Amino acid sequence: DAGVIQSPRHEVTEMGQEVTLRCKPISGHDYLFWYRQTMMRGLELLIYFNNNVPIDDSGMPEDRFSAKMPNASFSTLKIQPSEPRDSAVYFCASRSGQSPNYGYTFGSGTRLTVV
Amino acid sequence: GENVEQHPSTLSVQEGDSAVIKCTYSDSASNYFPWYKQELGKRPQLIIDIRSNVGEKKDQRIAVTLNKTAKHFSLHITETQPEDSAVYFCAASIANSGYALNFGKGTSLLVTP
Repeated sequence: DAGVIQSPRHEVTEMGQEVTLRCKPISGHDYLFWYRQTMMRGLELLIYFNNNVPIDDSGMPEDRFSAKMPNASFSTLKIQPSEPRDSAVYFCASRSGQSPNYGYTFGSGTRLTVV
Repeated sequence: GENVEQHPSTLSVQEGDSAVIKCTYSDSASNYFPWYKQELGKRPQLIIDIRSNVGEKKDQRIAVTLNKTAKHFSLHITETQPEDSAVYFCAASIANSGYALNFGKGTSLLVTP
């Protein structure tokens, strides 16, 4: 298995532009999580899905952020419009609810820079 | 919501010494406590975890202890090596949240030869 795949690895965009981050979870995993990592705030949970349904989006910073999971193998995190304070590394992770191992696998992350 | 505090934020030890990182959590319903290691520019990697029905777990040079009453848990690394240098994160989660993780702020461990 290729693991959790995120794209792009790096994104540089200008303030005000729309940014879309993509994630392909591990096949068979029914939970998908989006995290954001910054020096100041550490690793923060933004939103998670179970069976493609958003369960908890209380971590989404504001209405500029939205996430979707149209099918079991794909999720997007969109920021519109982007702002410099959105600069961070965004990680996607997935896990299987059927696995006795509660730990999950992170993708390689997308480093977003908004200038 | 769950609040996880982690200390110290930085830790420097000499090769061969032990390192201890401590975390506290606020929600008594939390029942799963993993530890992640993150090297510079890399993704967090699970190194060990413990469930609330267990007080201690060991895997070679790494051990984790959990005190449910006091709501704190610790990571112990013995015989440290330079390749143990990284940022370590503790986390706590609750079963009915899909095991979404609430992370501590991290500990930057430096092991000097």
